[in-house]
Amino acid sequence: NFMLAQPHSVSGSPGKTVTISCTRSSGSIARSYVQWYQQRPGSAPTTVIYENDQRPSGVPDRFSGSIDSSSNSASLTISGLSTEDEADYYCQSADTTMTFVFGGGTKVTVL
Amino acid sequence: QVQLVESGGGVVQPGKSLRLSCAASGFSFSSYAVHWVRQAPGKGLEWVALTSFDGSNKYYADSVKGRFTISRDSSRNTLFLQLNSLKPDDTAVYFCARMNEDSTFDHWGQGTRVTVSS
Repeated sequence: NFMLAQPHSVSGSPGKTVTISCTRSSGSIARSYVQWYQQRPGSAPTTVIYENDQRPSGVPDRFSGSIDSSSNSASLTISGLSTEDEADYYCQSADTTMTFVFGGGTKVTVL
Repeated sequence: QVQLVESGGGVVQPGKSLRLSCAASGFSFSSYAVHWVRQAPGKGLEWVALTSFDGSNKYYADSVKGRFTISRDSSRNTLFLQLNSLKPDDTAVYFCARMNEDSTFDHWGQGTRVTVSS
């Protein structure tokens, strides 16, 4: 099995841009799609990005996702940072053996 | 609208058992794979188990393999998780989540809390 490593926290001022990385420990990041989930305190997670770079309906286009094979990582970028974006964010992917892996989570703070 | 409602959590002693339920509504339950995901206090999300749409295939995290059993009853639109030989490390909020055709956890319940303590 592989692991997904995320920074513990990132922060930015309102209106700025933050990027959260998600690095796969073994196997290619491109092997399976990466999803990103937002979780506010006391709430269940919700999807902000699926299939590496797709945005569900209702998610603002300030959220974008990408993968980079050279660094074997995925990234979630939040532009035009808003206080409503303060939350924990988790990346997630799947193994070919049908096991599912979450990153450790990143706390986004709006200064 | 899609709804997933977990129940069955509580406080239980180490070594004991518990059965969690997840009642599904608002969609064709028998057409979707569903998962259990847990979150220990102050910690991140941990995938626990998956059952295929028809219950014929089941997969588990190594941390629960041999102790937890996932099952589903499509006649009752309900997902179950049988937790046996519970350990303090199993203390967490347990979420059920639907997986869509994009392999995304697209709908989640609000969770049920399990506390393993003597």
